[in-house]
Amino acid sequence: QVQLVQSGAEVTKPGASVKVSCKTSGYTFTSYYVHWVRQAPGQGLEWVGIIHPAGGTTDYARNLQGRVAMTRDTSTSTVYMEMSSLRSDDTAMYYCGTEVPNTGGVDYWGQGTLVTVSS
Amino acid sequence: QSALTQPASVSGSPGQSITISCTGSSSDIGSYSLVSWYQQHPGKAPKLIIYEGSKCPSGVSNRFSGSKSGNTASLTISGLQPEDEADYYCCSYAGSPTSYVFGSGTKLTVL
Repeated sequence: QVQLVQSGAEVTKPGASVKVSCKTSGYTFTSYYVHWVRQAPGQGLEWVGIIHPAGGTTDYARNLQGRVAMTRDTSTSTVYMEMSSLRSDDTAMYYCGTEVPNTGGVDYWGQGTLVTVSS
Repeated sequence: QSALTQPASVSGSPGQSITISCTGSSSDIGSYSLVSWYQQHPGKAPKLIIYEGSKCPSGVSNRFSGSKSGNTASLTISGLQPEDEADYYCCSYAGSPTSYVFGSGTKLTVL
C-alpha cells in the first residue's frame, strides 16, 4: 500500500533553514506528483509547492519563491523540502502528499512534520 | 493569489443535506476543472473526498458530491452523519505561476 513517512519535528531559529524529508513506498516513485502543504496552528491549509519526481521539475507558491526548494532522490524514493530564511510565521505542520498526475487531488498523505521557528 | 472564499461555518442535523460553496475567479475555478475537496478532522492529515470537480475517490462515501458553475465550486454532503463533523477545504489549480490555491476552510457542525 502507498505510504509516505515524514521526518521528525524540527525546532529552529529565525533566519535558519530546515529540510524535511518524505519517504515514499508502495508505488512507482516516478508515477505520482508530490505536493507539500502547510498548516499554521489553528489556521487553514496553504499550498507550498509541487515536484514531479520523474524529471525533478518543481513549482512553488508565489509567496515562497526564493525561500523554498524541493528535490528528490530516486534511489530512495524520497522527496525533500528545504525552506530558508525562516520566520516565526513559517511555524506550521508541513505535509507531503501524492497526486495521480493531472487529477488535481492529493490522495495519499504523510503524517506531517511540525516545524517550529522560535528564538 | 488570495485564498478561495468559503463560509466559515455551516451546520446541519443528522440525515440532512448541506452544501459548502467555494468561490474563486476566472483565473482558477473558472478556467480549470481541477477542483478538489478535503475533509480534515482535528489533529489529522487532510483526506481527499472529491477530485476533478465531481469525482469520488475509491473508498469515499457516495454521500459526498461535487459540482462547479462558473467561478464557484460546491460540495454537497447528503445524509449527514456525526462523523462528518470536520473542517472542509476546497482547492483549485490556478495555472502557472500560482499553481494551486486552497479555500479558507469551512467548519461543519452536525447538531
